[in-house]
Amino acid sequence: GNSVTQMEGPVTLSEEAFLTINCTYTATGYPSLFWYVQYPGEGLQLLLKATKADDKGSNKGFEATYRKETTSFHLEKGSVQVSDSAVYFCALSDSGGGADGLTFGKGTHLIIQP
Amino acid sequence: DAGITQSPRHKVTETGTPVTLRCHQTENHRYMYWYRQDPGHGLRLIHYSYGVKDTDKGEVSDGYSVSRSKTEDFLLTLESATSSQTSVYFCATSTGGGTEAFFGQGTRLTVV
Repeated sequence: GNSVTQMEGPVTLSEEAFLTINCTYTATGYPSLFWYVQYPGEGLQLLLKATKADDKGSNKGFEATYRKETTSFHLEKGSVQVSDSAVYFCALSDSGGGADGLTFGKGTHLIIQP
Repeated sequence: DAGITQSPRHKVTETGTPVTLRCHQTENHRYMYWYRQDPGHGLRLIHYSYGVKDTDKGEVSDGYSVSRSKTEDFLLTLESATSSQTSVYFCATSTGGGTEAFFGQGTRLTVV
């Protein structure tokens, strides 16, 4: 079956530091990959996505590249802000047309200190 | 936003009572999902629907049932609530085929 593994944290960084959150996956087919962000008390919001190998998703200064050879989709940002403090989820979706939704990692709690 | 509304947003209920959570969408998405979020577990799929009256079980379906009588509404019922079902429940929708899911704001359920 499909699975997603990501560092759980909490990850604590100072403002303007470089961020990497690792994500690796196991899938039987050719999945689409996603990063979601959850701010306190809210639902999940799509941050970025990539649908095929070597695609780079980007949004709000965050980037992630779909690496099929290493089955990875690491999230990066060059200079984090206090407002980036949130929980980040890596997820995959079976592009083969399966109806059974996204498979999520356990989430990484990111804390940015001023 | 996909226009997903969950109700209620918060609920406290007693052990052994039935509870129904509602998800309503305005985007006409074919697929709808119920997840629960717990510390250390991330999001786990409870049930999903691939059309009106078409539903199937997810990873953690024991003790839960669902119904979808209209495209826009997906109900989750805890038949007899237990303390282990204290959680935050999220509804999501998608158009399928490997696309992203859109999430509601969540329902915090406490079973005492």
